[in-house]
Amino acid sequence: AQSVTQLDSHVSVSEGTPVLLRCNYSSSYSPSLFWYVQHPNKGLQLLLKYTSAATLVKGINGFEAEFKKSETSFHLTKPSAHMSDAAEYFCVVSDITGNQFYFGTGTSLTVIP
Amino acid sequence: DAMVIQNPRYQVTQFGKPVTLSCSQTLNHNVMYWYQQKSSQAPKLLFHYYDKDFNNEADTPDNFQSRRPNTSFCFLDIRSPGLGDAAMYLCATSKPPTGYTEAFFGQGTRLTVV
Repeated sequence: AQSVTQLDSHVSVSEGTPVLLRCNYSSSYSPSLFWYVQHPNKGLQLLLKYTSAATLVKGINGFEAEFKKSETSFHLTKPSAHMSDAAEYFCVVSDITGNQFYFGTGTSLTVIP
Repeated sequence: DAMVIQNPRYQVTQFGKPVTLSCSQTLNHNVMYWYQQKSSQAPKLLFHYYDKDFNNEADTPDNFQSRRPNTSFCFLDIRSPGLGDAAMYLCATSKPPTGYTEAFFGQGTRLTVV
């Protein structure tokens, strides 16, 4: 079975400082992993995805994530937080068929001016 | 641009009065999903269609039904909404079977039950 665990329910950073949102996964095969962002009252927008090509994945808005098989992790980072980054972030893993998506419980990111 | 469109964005319905939420897609994706998302929670899958094949999650209440008349459209019917059904409802699509295709989400419909 596939699952993801987001290690922090809330993260607070100052504007201009680095962002780290942590995600660990569990999968019996080489997983497909995704990070989505959700702003209030909006749908989910894909930030980036891991598709077994490069382990360091670059996404939109300056975000990136590194797939580490030995640590079963897929942490999301950004060098410098912007006020517009304040949102809810979900780490997601899909099953081997690609039909099912399993969500983490989400991390709420607050950016302090 | 190809996308997933949900209508309406906000829906207010009365307790017990049937309501239908709609979703359309221009991506020609095989799979369409309906998720329920309550405040400060992760989206919860209600059901999905793979082409015409309907797949219901085991814990989805009977009060929730779905229809997919063609590839582009999918509807969520709530037969007798209760106060506990107030939530954001998200429609999504994907195109397996590569296993590496992300889900594309609509903007959601915020349902209020009064």
